[in-house]
Order: sequence, then structure tokens, then C-alpha cells
Amino acid sequence: NAGVTQTPKFQVLKTGQSMTLQCAQDMNHNSMYWYRQDPGMGLRLIYYSASEGTTDKGEVPNGYNVSRLNKREFSLRLESAAPSQTSVYFCASKSSVYSNQPQHFGDGTRLSIL
Amino acid sequence: QQQVKQSPQSLIVQKGGISIINCAYENTAFDYFPWYQQFPGKGPALLIAIRPDVSEKKEGRFTISFNKSAKQFSLHIMDSQPGDSATYFCAASRPWGSARQLTFGSGTQLTVLP
Repeated sequence: NAGVTQTPKFQVLKTGQSMTLQCAQDMNHNSMYWYRQDPGMGLRLIYYSASEGTTDKGEVPNGYNVSRLNKREFSLRLESAAPSQTSVYFCASKSSVYSNQPQHFGDGTRLSIL
Repeated sequence: QQQVKQSPQSLIVQKGGISIINCAYENTAFDYFPWYQQFPGKGPALLIAIRPDVSEKKEGRFTISFNKSAKQFSLHIMDSQPGDSATYFCAASRPWGSARQLTFGSGTQLTVLP
């Protein structure tokens, strides 16, 4: 009964380093999402994938890239990390991008960039 | 531009009291309004949701009140318990191209004192 699993849970990077955040869901959902959560800002959508093989930009895509590896997995890559990308990153999935079904969230990756 | 404004930022309530969190929106294209609950170290999870064709929805101790003309909606937690201590996000969903866009409020950190 895992739901949405994110790895790693914590990470510290230096400015300019790159890394990939991993996300996998076992609910057979078609759509997947990446958000960042910052104090006082709520959750802001970075990228989403309506289905395997498709990705689209959200509200704050600059500095990020994504890959929908297969139906289960959706990764987020920071090519050259910047201190402004210090945040908590959440992956979510939903049965369909077209529906109002609830999004199911992972427990987040806490990322600090020095 | 914050499309969904949430207040207060933080709220402290005594056990047994009523917690009230308010949200307001401008875009009349929003047609579905969920509330998410987030415990420390966890991802948000759907708590309760409402469509604008009803003025109130109740699930246990949690009630959403919706005022379509004022473009406002609120979450009421009756008989608040220490276990309700969490961050609460209102959200609003609307059609967006061929998908649906979910916009979150900035969050309210609720503390219920024993």
C-alpha cells in the first residue's frame, strides 16, 4: 500500500550541482505532477505529465526538467542547482488529468542548496 | 499573482473550539474547491471538497461553506482536537486547455491546544 514514493527524502547540494528527484506510484494513475512548497507560497506546480510520453510546464518550470520514464515513474531534474531552488518538492499522481479526482501526494523531498 | 487567497496564515484554537479558515478567489472559471490537510513531514491529502452548486458540505466535524456570489469559501472544524493540528490548504480547480489546473492557497498552520 505504498501509493506515491519519493526518493531521496533529504538532500543537500552545492550551487551548480545537478541531481534527479525520483517519484514512483503504484496506483495505475495516468497523470503525475511535481510541485514545490515554500513558506507562505502554498504548492506551486512545476511540471506535470498527463500520460506516459507527455509532459507540460506548470507555473514555475524554469530551472527544471522532467522525464516520464513509464506509467509509474516521473523524475524531476535540476541541471544546475541554485539557492532559490531550496524547497520541499512533492510528487503527486491522479487517475486522469481531466478529472477532479484527488491528487495523491508523496511525503516530499527536502532539498537544500548552499 | 495569487489566484486563491487564504487566511489566516496561522491559527491557534483550544481543544473543543471551532477553527475557521477562509479562502477567496477571483477567477470565475474555478468550478471545484478541495481542501487538503498536511501533517508535518507528510504530503498533503484530500480532506473534503465542494462544487459551487451547493452552499455547504459536511463530513463529520469538517464543513465547507461556499458563497458563490462573494467568491469565498471557508473550512470550519467543529470540536477541534489536538490531532487536527496540521497545515490546511484550500485549492481551486478549473479547466485549463485539455486538462484541469489546481491552484493552491498559501496554507494555514492550525495548532489545537490540549
